[in-house]
Amino acid sequence: AQKITQTQPGMFVQEKEAVTLDCTYDTSDPSYGLFWYKQPSSGEMIFLIYQGSYDQQNATEGRYSLNFQKARKSANLVISASQLGDSAMYFCAMRINTPLVFGKGTRLSVIA
Amino acid sequence: DAGVIQSPRHEVTEMGQEVTLRCKPISGHNSLFWYRQTMMRGLELLIYFNNNVPIDDSGMPEDRFSAKMPNASFSTLKIQPSEPRDSAVYFCASSVRVLNYGYTFGSGTRLTVV
Repeated sequence: AQKITQTQPGMFVQEKEAVTLDCTYDTSDPSYGLFWYKQPSSGEMIFLIYQGSYDQQNATEGRYSLNFQKARKSANLVISASQLGDSAMYFCAMRINTPLVFGKGTRLSVIA
Repeated sequence: DAGVIQSPRHEVTEMGQEVTLRCKPISGHNSLFWYRQTMMRGLELLIYFNNNVPIDDSGMPEDRFSAKMPNASFSTLKIQPSEPRDSAVYFCASSVRVLNYGYTFGSGTRLTVV
């Protein structure tokens, strides 16, 4: 069965610094997709970034990048130049031929 | 595009009452998902539909929960009778059946059963 693990329940980062949120996954299927979502205190789920298992390059979307290490089965989210508005829960998720399976999330707090 | 629309945003009901949550997916999306979010269990998939057909309802906690999708533009999740432990945020999401396509979530329904 597929599994997503986020080992950091909470993280703090100084404004304007970079931060890495960890995500490891487990699947035997060679074809899968990895996603990161942001959930601010208002509650909505916001899609941030996607990485396919066959993608040769790490995905980037503005200040977000995904550090994909396939052999280690990790898909860490890197947020550069943190802003106060980045304070939120962040969820890693994986999709195969099944619905998205989510990790437990990491709460990021950005400090001024 | 208005996105995935859920109603109501908040629902407070008494134990034993019937609760119906509603969802309108994005036009053109052929998959619809109901998730429940709690502090203890995180985001759990309850049920999902492809082309209006229920595919997997193994996440539905018990027979008190039921879901329907009578057409491509509407789905309901019903709890009858409701219990305090059903209190959670219920999300509806829609997508297309392509691996690299993410889900679009609705704003969620915060259910409180007292």
